[in-house]
Amino acid sequence: QVQLQQWGAGLVKPLETLSLTCAVYGGSFTNYYWTWVRQPPGKGLEWIGEMNDSGSGTKSNIPSLNRRLTISLDTSKNQVFLKLTSVTAADTAVYYCARGNAGGKGIDFWGQGTLVTVS
Amino acid sequence: SYELTQPPSVSVSPGQTVSIPCSGDKLGEKYVCWYQHKPGQSPILVMYQDSKRPSGMPERFSGSNSGNTATLTISGTQALDEADYYCQVWHISTVIFGGGTRLTVL
Repeated sequence: QVQLQQWGAGLVKPLETLSLTCAVYGGSFTNYYWTWVRQPPGKGLEWIGEMNDSGSGTKSNIPSLNRRLTISLDTSKNQVFLKLTSVTAADTAVYYCARGNAGGKGIDFWGQGTLVTVS
Repeated sequence: SYELTQPPSVSVSPGQTVSIPCSGDKLGEKYVCWYQHKPGQSPILVMYQDSKRPSGMPERFSGSNSGNTATLTISGTQALDEADYYCQVWHISTVIFGGGTRLTVL
């Protein structure tokens, strides 16, 4: 069974960098889109971006998010990384890593979520 | 940019059927997925490619997509189905979520 386990700092100061790691267990790391989604308090799901093992990735089309965002992979460790620089209170959210599939097959496995508070 | 519109909330009595709509421009030309999200838990994929259920998803969940509207239908709704539901598509290689619909089982 595929499991995604994520971790990272839960409290980040304004203008510093948010860093999260997601480890993938029990399944292939190839041919999937490794995805980050967040949910600000009281709001809906917001897609942040994704990357596949070929290094092809796409980021949110929100400029204020896009230019601060880096998603990377370590295929030797089956890990996915999220870095978001110059954070503000608007970046406070539960962050999820997840596994996406091509061809309309959806995002089928999710990490447990990490609440990151910017304060 | 592409937008998906969902009603903020719907309610249903236990055992009844409820439909949750999701609208977007020419939505029927795209694949739609649906997610169930309960407080404190991670989202769960309940429907993909418009109308396919992931392994283990109860048959009471069904989906359709035509024209500008996709619909998630839950038949014989149970109390445990109470959750937020999000539709999702891909648009120009980006993932778009609808705003979410809170389903209340009264």
